[in-house]
Amino acid sequence: SQQGEEDPQALSIQEGENATMNCSYKTSINNLQWYRQNSGRGLVHLILIRSNEREKHSGRLRVTLDTSKKSSSLLITASRAADTASYFCATDALATSGSRLTFGEGTQLTVNP
Amino acid sequence: NAGVTQTPKFQVLKTGQSMTLQCAQDMNHNSMYWYRQDPGMGLRLIYYSASEGTTDKGEVPNGYNVSRLNKREFSLRLESAAPSQTSVYFCASSEEVPGETQYFGPGTRLLVL
Repeated sequence: SQQGEEDPQALSIQEGENATMNCSYKTSINNLQWYRQNSGRGLVHLILIRSNEREKHSGRLRVTLDTSKKSSSLLITASRAADTASYFCATDALATSGSRLTFGEGTQLTVNP
Repeated sequence: NAGVTQTPKFQVLKTGQSMTLQCAQDMNHNSMYWYRQDPGMGLRLIYYSASEGTTDKGEVPNGYNVSRLNKREFSLRLESAAPSQTSVYFCASSEEVPGETQYFGPGTRLLVL
């Protein structure tokens, strides 16, 4: 079963608006990561937040982590058409043998010009 | 640096045929992974290699074998392809610990008829 679940499954916004995607997970984690996938391409790492961190920024990206609620959010500010992609959260679960990532099913973001 | 490269980009097989998907990375990473991505399923780990000379099963290893040929190369073999193996296959690598940032190849689209 998937460790991370993204919400919403799909999101459509206008250029310039902010986009917020959420990820919930089930077990304690070492870290949580967000990846972007453009159509027909491989995944690209965006940001990693560790279990002892609450918020992290990278350019127009802001990630929060609430370990008590087992949830994370990815905020993209001032969105652009080029941000259109699928966004996945991935968790490195503490209990997983071999410490490997488990990916959610993704949020499809469409930014309309 | 080319990063992570995969060959072929696209392949059509008949049921029962065999093939090997090739993956190479030029980042001197220790860990390498094979995932499959199906619509609405996110990425699922097939096999991974935490370091040269070791391989371990992931979430969905049945019907696949892997070889860590050297530090750079990690191949995935389908001995007798089945329609259920129709998917997009991604190879990834990470520097040391499997739970850290992973770098993905562009993917191989496989269709099994």
